Amino acid sequence: DTGVSQNPRHKITKRGQNVTFRCDPISEHNRLYWYRQTLGQGPEFLTYFQNEAQLEKSRLLSDRFSAERPKGSFSTLEIQRTEQGDSAMYLCASSSLRADYGYTFGSGTRLTVV
Amino acid sequence: QKEVEQNSGPLSVPEGAIASLNCTYSDRGSQSFFWYRQYSGKSPELIMSIYSNGDKEDGRFTAQLNKASQYVSLLIRDSQPSDSATYLCAVIGGSNYKLTFGKGTLLTVNP
Repeated sequence: DTGVSQNPRHKITKRGQNVTFRCDPISEHNRLYWYRQTLGQGPEFLTYFQNEAQLEKSRLLSDRFSAERPKGSFSTLEIQRTEQGDSAMYLCASSSLRADYGYTFGSGTRLTVV
Repeated sequence: QKEVEQNSGPLSVPEGAIASLNCTYSDRGSQSFFWYRQYSGKSPELIMSIYSNGDKEDGRFTAQLNKASQYVSLLIRDSQPSDSATYLCAVIGGSNYKLTFGKGTLLTVNP
């Protein structure tokens, strides 16, 4: 087990384009989370999956954002019609059902919208 | 009121000193508390967890929790330049799964 894997590490896109990020969690972890972090801020919760079910979405997740976790394995986060305000680090984390043991984060995907 | 607040920083200490980082939280139902370290451009790394009132020590790190005061702290003894990073306080509240972070405190340890 190599931890939580995120791809790509960096993405530069033009405003208005669609982008998709992938996260592969730790294999035995049932729970998967997406967070967004901007400069000088702590990570902000976006959405959460338990197995394949998306159980919560933050109001930060506008209708341009969609996340999936088919078959309860890897997850994708898609942003449609990107805006400059979407520029941030997108972090994926996973945990066991005992989330109070803490999350393990991936390396993140840094998105720059130009 | 923000859910998790940290002292604003930045905090600068000389090498070998004790660094003290503080955090308060608003959800009285919170049961699990964490400190993450984040180097510039990297993702957060879990360094301490604490669940009951009192102190928990791990090497040079000591986490302190006071649920009555809704206060968590992290002490770093014998600070090293390699400890220079942003320290994030995080709390799992009544939801039992969602980790809420503070803004972080930037610590610089000067050689």
